[in-house]
Amino acid sequence: NAGVMQNPRHLVRRRGQEARLRCSPMKGHSHVYWYRQLPEEGLKFMVYLQKENIIDESGMPKERFSAEFPKEGPSILRIQQVVRGDSAAYFCASSPFGIDTGELFFGEGSRLTVL
Amino acid sequence: SQQGEEDPQALSIQEGENATMNCSYKTSINNLQWYRQNSGRGLVHLILIRSNEREKHSGRLRVTLDTSKKSSSLLITASRAADTASYFCATGNQAGTALIFGKGTTLSVSS
Repeated sequence: NAGVMQNPRHLVRRRGQEARLRCSPMKGHSHVYWYRQLPEEGLKFMVYLQKENIIDESGMPKERFSAEFPKEGPSILRIQQVVRGDSAAYFCASSPFGIDTGELFFGEGSRLTVL
Repeated sequence: SQQGEEDPQALSIQEGENATMNCSYKTSINNLQWYRQNSGRGLVHLILIRSNEREKHSGRLRVTLDTSKKSSSLLITASRAADTASYFCATGNQAGTALIFGKGTTLSVSS
């Protein structure tokens, strides 16, 4: 059973460009979470999605950031008009039932560098 | 906002010694989880302790939970160089929708 797959692993963008990060959850997992990690920092929750629905986006910046988890295909975290402060590692995690019933399974992350 | 806060921020020990990391949290919880992150990698789940449990073991790991003090500790016994990593505690947010992580303890084990 493949783990959580994230791509690209590394992404370089210039200021003003768009970044698209993809996450394929583990097979059978319908809950997806996105987190951001700055150097030497812990993970900051961004958004929680179930298939086709955003459940909690309280950690998402109000502008430029969006996320989706379509019926078919991976979850996408989209950052429009990137700025240098968006440089970070973005982690996706999945679970079969939600946080109260067990662990989250993390991908290896996508590292975004904004020049 | 941070739910869990780990202490100490950094810990350096020799192989064979025990490592203890502490976590404090603010609100009531259903469970508390510990994760490990090796440099440049994703997080790996270590252990989950439920609010009605006081202690749990998994191999060389021992986790305690004191809900009256809103604190937990992770003990790694007989540490190895391969235990070098950052360790995070995590609890659910008030909405019950996501895990909130502390800033972590960076453990360095030298041989």
